[in-house]
Amino acid sequence: DAKTTQPTSMDCAEGRAANLPCNHSTISGNEYVYWYRQIHSQGPQYIIHGLKNNETNEMASLIITEDRKSSTLILPHATLRDTAVYYCFQSRRSSGGSNYKLTFGKGTLLTVNP
Amino acid sequence: ETGVTQSPTHLIKTRGQQVTLRCSSQSGHNTVSWYQQALGQGPQFIFQYYREEENGRGNFPPRFSGLQFPNYSSELNVNALELDDSALYLCASSLDATGSGGAFFGQGTRLTVV
Repeated sequence: DAKTTQPTSMDCAEGRAANLPCNHSTISGNEYVYWYRQIHSQGPQYIIHGLKNNETNEMASLIITEDRKSSTLILPHATLRDTAVYYCFQSRRSSGGSNYKLTFGKGTLLTVNP
Repeated sequence: ETGVTQSPTHLIKTRGQQVTLRCSSQSGHNTVSWYQQALGQGPQFIFQYYREEENGRGNFPPRFSGLQFPNYSSELNVNALELDDSALYLCASSLDATGSGGAFFGQGTRLTVV
């Protein structure tokens, strides 16, 4: 079962920053926070992940609280193409041949409006 | 484009039949995972293959089976199809079983069981 909680839906105006929250209060020390998104009728797309430091890439920024119990994904300038379901989850980056699986919940439907 | 291709894109089968779905992983990726996504739900982990061997399994019955080939492409086989098997089946490839750099998903195969 998914261990994270996210709002069911959010709206954002085109060109504005979209801030998507996620609570992961049961995260353990060796678990990363991952964000994926799924645009309608497509496969999920990896966005970003982090352990405890804030991370930024060409798609988004990830802000993780100091206690690691929550995080926020920031899309700095949302476009209509960013309308999608955004999934947040915690996952252990395993080693030694152990499997790495993604545990998706229901995510947040972000709708970017013109 | 993720470099992960799945075939076929759509498929209709009759209850009790068997089906094989195929996935070509991204070049250089030796790990393939399969997910089932029912309508309105997040993807659910079925199993993972790492270097041609099953490397972890989710809560799916044995009639869900798979293979990974030396070129790291993979097949998902489902026997004795049931109506509830109707779903989008997603394949994800990653650089290795630790999930370095995230997992890259294909567009999925939409299976309808009638």
